[in-house]
Amino acid sequence: DQQVKQNSPSLSVQEGRISILNCDYTNSMFDYFLWYKKYPAEGPTFLISISSIKDKNEDGRFTVFLNKSAKHLSLHIVPSQPGDSAVYFCAASEEGGSEKLVFGKGTKLTVNP
Amino acid sequence: ETGVTQTPRHLVMGMTNKKSLKCEQHLGHNAMYWYKQSAKKPLELMFVYSLEERVENNSVPSRFSPECPNSSHLFLHLHTLQPEDSALYLCASSPSGLAPQYFGPGTRLLVL
Repeated sequence: DQQVKQNSPSLSVQEGRISILNCDYTNSMFDYFLWYKKYPAEGPTFLISISSIKDKNEDGRFTVFLNKSAKHLSLHIVPSQPGDSAVYFCAASEEGGSEKLVFGKGTKLTVNP
Repeated sequence: ETGVTQTPRHLVMGMTNKKSLKCEQHLGHNAMYWYKQSAKKPLELMFVYSLEERVENNSVPSRFSPECPNSSHLFLHLHTLQPEDSALYLCASSPSGLAPQYFGPGTRLLVL
């Protein structure tokens, strides 16, 4: 059974608008969450992370929100740019360390000019 | 060269072949990882090395054999693989503690 779920395989957004990527998890022991971006023929690139003691973390155009009671996190990209088109993976780990990351299947984001 | 590098980038091998994948990190990290990514599946953790000692082996078949000679290098030795082992194999590294993992570009493996 998947512990980290990204239920939308794809998302299409207009340039300049907000992209919202969602992720749900089932393991209440997860306390560290990350988002990665992946272009074709490249490895995943780390984007942003959040620990369970926070509910929001912001880095430029990227903001991650964590709702622990709902076991849900989301990544907001605003404004979206065509270069943001990629597959986005949500990942989580427990026990205060990042050695055992559990990944979702990914959401393919397409930002249209 | 910086970051995490992997060689080869592409590999085609028969089921009776023996080959090795190589990973090198230039980030001064002390943990390294092997992941497998199959089509339409999440990344699957295969092996974790911390300070050159294996700390995690997620029930990977013995036809995959990792080696970590030092904190900068990681190998994955392959022998008698099956066609279902065809996948993207990713290496990553991280510092200790609450920190992200940084990935290499991967090796695309095809087993015929």
